[in-house]
Amino acid sequence: EDKVVQSPLSLVVHEGDTVTLNCSYEVTNFRSLLWYKQEKKAPTFLFMLTSSGIEKKSGRLSSILDKKELFSILNITATQTGDSAVYLCAVRAEEKLTFGTGTRLTIIP
Amino acid sequence: DTGVSQDPRHKITKRGQNVTFRCDPISEHNRLYWYRQTLGQGPEFLTYFQNEAQLEKSRLLSDRFSAERPKGSFSTLEIQRTEQGDSAMYLCASSLELGAEKLFFGSGTQLSVL
Repeated sequence: EDKVVQSPLSLVVHEGDTVTLNCSYEVTNFRSLLWYKQEKKAPTFLFMLTSSGIEKKSGRLSSILDKKELFSILNITATQTGDSAVYLCAVRAEEKLTFGTGTRLTIIP
Repeated sequence: DTGVSQDPRHKITKRGQNVTFRCDPISEHNRLYWYRQTLGQGPEFLTYFQNEAQLEKSRLLSDRFSAERPKGSFSTLEIQRTEQGDSAMYLCASSLELGAEKLFFGSGTQLSVL
């Protein structure tokens, strides 16, 4: 059975800090790894990664994939209160996404 | 608003009652997914459609659950004889077939079974 594990489960930091969120996976027929941000209800897409070692970047957020070690990290620099959310990692194998439990990030002003 | 819309936003029902949720995907998206999310967990896959065809169903989807997408546009998810364990957020998502990783989620229907 496909498995996605995220760590830490919860993280509280001060505004301006840099955070690293981790995602490891065990799936058959890996196609891609994705990061979503869930603030209240609907998860919103952040990144999709398919190749090892290529960093995806969007503003203060960046992510990289290691297909040999089967993990990905999501970095957020200079955190802001608006970054407070649950960050979900998901892996696509076949036609569906398998999600991890998420990391709840809280930014203290 | 041209995003994914779900109705109702909240549903409270008594154990044993039937409930039906509706999802309207983004109009040009031919794939539609149902996920269930409980507190502190990530979304769990239930089923997905490509156009009107239901192509995969999770083991989580017991005989009490049925989903339809009759004309390849909106979809309904029905739960018969609800149980307290059915209490969860039911999320709908849609995507294009090409680029199916990038799911666009609705805001979900929060079901509470008393």
